[in-house]
Amino acid sequence: DTAVSQTPKYLVTQMGNDKSIKCEQNLGHDTMYWYKQDSKKFLKIMFSYNNKELIINETVPNRFSPKSPDKAHLNLHINSLELGDSAVYFCASSQFMEGATTDTQYFGPGTRLTVL
Amino acid sequence: AQTVTQSQPEMSVQEAETVTLSCTYDTSESDYYLFWYKQPPSRQMILVIRQEAYKQQNATENRFSVNFQKAAKSFSLKISDSQLGDAAMYFCAREGSQGNLIFGKGTKLSVKP
Repeated sequence: DTAVSQTPKYLVTQMGNDKSIKCEQNLGHDTMYWYKQDSKKFLKIMFSYNNKELIINETVPNRFSPKSPDKAHLNLHINSLELGDSAVYFCASSQFMEGATTDTQYFGPGTRLTVL
Repeated sequence: AQTVTQSQPEMSVQEAETVTLSCTYDTSESDYYLFWYKQPPSRQMILVIRQEAYKQQNATENRFSVNFQKAAKSFSLKISDSQLGDAAMYFCAREGSQGNLIFGKGTKLSVKP
């Protein structure tokens, strides 16, 4: 069974389009994340949700909107795609613990977004 | 700024030999987690090893071990008996104040047969 899944794995689209990436975890975790990996392989947090509530929102254009329908899902919607949005997007999940810390994060397979 | 620094962009090791990847980090917290993740060409992020900062003992997972120096804020990864399948990008990460991971820029490890 896949622990953290993302769809699609590859996404090629034109500038200006709107697209969504879906993420689901079956680990029973209460916290989910979106990370962006740029062309130089640098990984950076974008958003974090705990029990469907937004707890991290890094400096990300408001064209990016996360949506968490329940604690097993965290989708990423991107409006008006730009060339610079081309990257690999990773979803991850973990269990929040006392002391504002989390257990190990498990990652999805990543979605490679290419904007033409 | 809370940063994680991996000073070796690329490393190479002979099969069956030992290699050490370095990592230093910055934090004002006293208790936190540190991680090494491996990213092979498949791009899947795979947890290699985890260290809790309050534990003195260095974490070990089979051929992988860490040298954790809390005072020096250093967290290096040692890979013993290197195998071809160890070739990958290795990322050091520290837990951020809100549970997110703060990653270093990665070290690309090549394994020569």
